Amino acid sequence: SQQGEEDPQALSIQEGENATMNCSYKTSINNLQWYRQNSGRGLVHLILIRSNEREKHSGRLRVTLDTSKKSSSLLITASRAADTASYFCAASGGSYIPTFGRGTSLIVHP
Amino acid sequence: DAGVTQSPTHLIKTRGQQVTLRCSPKSGHDTVSWYQQALGQGPQFIFQYYEEEERQRGNFPDRFSGHQFPNYSSELNVNALLLGDSALYLCASSYRAGTALSGELFFGEGSRLTVL
Repeated sequence: SQQGEEDPQALSIQEGENATMNCSYKTSINNLQWYRQNSGRGLVHLILIRSNEREKHSGRLRVTLDTSKKSSSLLITASRAADTASYFCAASGGSYIPTFGRGTSLIVHP
Repeated sequence: DAGVTQSPTHLIKTRGQQVTLRCSPKSGHDTVSWYQQALGQGPQFIFQYYEEEERQRGNFPDRFSGHQFPNYSSELNVNALLLGDSALYLCASSYRAGTALSGELFFGEGSRLTVL
């Protein structure tokens, strides 16, 4: 079973809008990461948030972590067509092995 | 600075055959992890190599084996291929296995395996 599960599975928005993706996980974690994947290519690391952090920013990205609810969210502000991709959360527990969810497919229409 | 490189990019095999996939980690990285990604799914952890030894393994059968060389590059071998082994195989490198500081993975573009 996968540690991280993203919601929604698919998201379609217009350029300029904000995109929010959610991730739930099952067991306690040391950190949670978000990755992006363009059309079956390699994954690109976006941001890592540690279990003792609640919010983190990187450019147009904002990640929150709620360990009491075992959930995280990724917000992409002012989306661009180039943001079209699949987004995965990956939760790392005691083994520090990132375990990925099934991903959210984001389409940003120009 | 070269990133993670994988070869081959695409390959087609038939059931029962064996395949070897190769990975060179990002410069300065000493840990290599392999993931299998089926179509429409997230990457599934196969195993991780550090100091030429398998350190962690996911829920994959013994048909999946690997190796890490002194220069940190790695191979993934799959024996007795099944149709269900068709997937994108991703190699990811990092520095120092098992520490919170090394959480970030750098991925290659993957090797797409089709089993007929």
